[in-house]
Amino acid sequence: DTAVSQTPKYLVTQMGNDKSIKCEQNLGHDTMYWYKQDSKKFLKIMFSYNNKELIINETVPNRFSPKSPDKAHLNLHINSLELGDSAVYFCASSQETGKNTGELFFGEGSRLTVL
Amino acid sequence: QQPVQSPQAVILREGEDAVINCSSSKALYSVHWYRQKHGEAPVFLMILLKGGEQKGHEKISASFNEKKQQSSLYLTASQLSYSGTYFCGTTSGTYKYIFGTGTRLKVLA
Repeated sequence: DTAVSQTPKYLVTQMGNDKSIKCEQNLGHDTMYWYKQDSKKFLKIMFSYNNKELIINETVPNRFSPKSPDKAHLNLHINSLELGDSAVYFCASSQETGKNTGELFFGEGSRLTVL
Repeated sequence: QQPVQSPQAVILREGEDAVINCSSSKALYSVHWYRQKHGEAPVFLMILLKGGEQKGHEKISASFNEKKQQSSLYLTASQLSYSGTYFCGTTSGTYKYIFGTGTRLKVLA
């Protein structure tokens, strides 16, 4: 069983379109994240959720709307796609322990290409 | 705010050693290290929880100097399989986990 699974793995779309990426984890973790990895390989946090509540929104444009129907799922919907949105998007989950974050488990990544 | 890693990139021959550094401008309570191979997701290598702690993973080990807000990853007798991008990571506030700038490592035969 895959611990963190995200779909689709690849998306190719035109500017202005809307797209969604789904993520599910079966590890029983309380915390889930979305990260964006650009062409320079920087891993930038976008959102974090704890028990399906939004905790961190890291100055992401409101065209990006995460949704967590339950603590095992965290989806990402992107409206009006722009060229600069092209990147690999990673979903991850972890278990928080006080001040420390446990190991992050990542999904395979979703490579978004906006033409 | 993002931890800064050095060097940005390094090329090694098999069997050579390397050190990757991670420096933070904020206090570090713990440091994780991850390796990401090309086209794959980052994979956890180890966590360091206490200042001065050193941990090992095969021929890869790390140290954590809490006072200096730094961690270093040591790769000994590198193998081809060590190639990839290495990231340090740390908690930066409640439920906010951030990564360092990354170090690309390439090991040549």
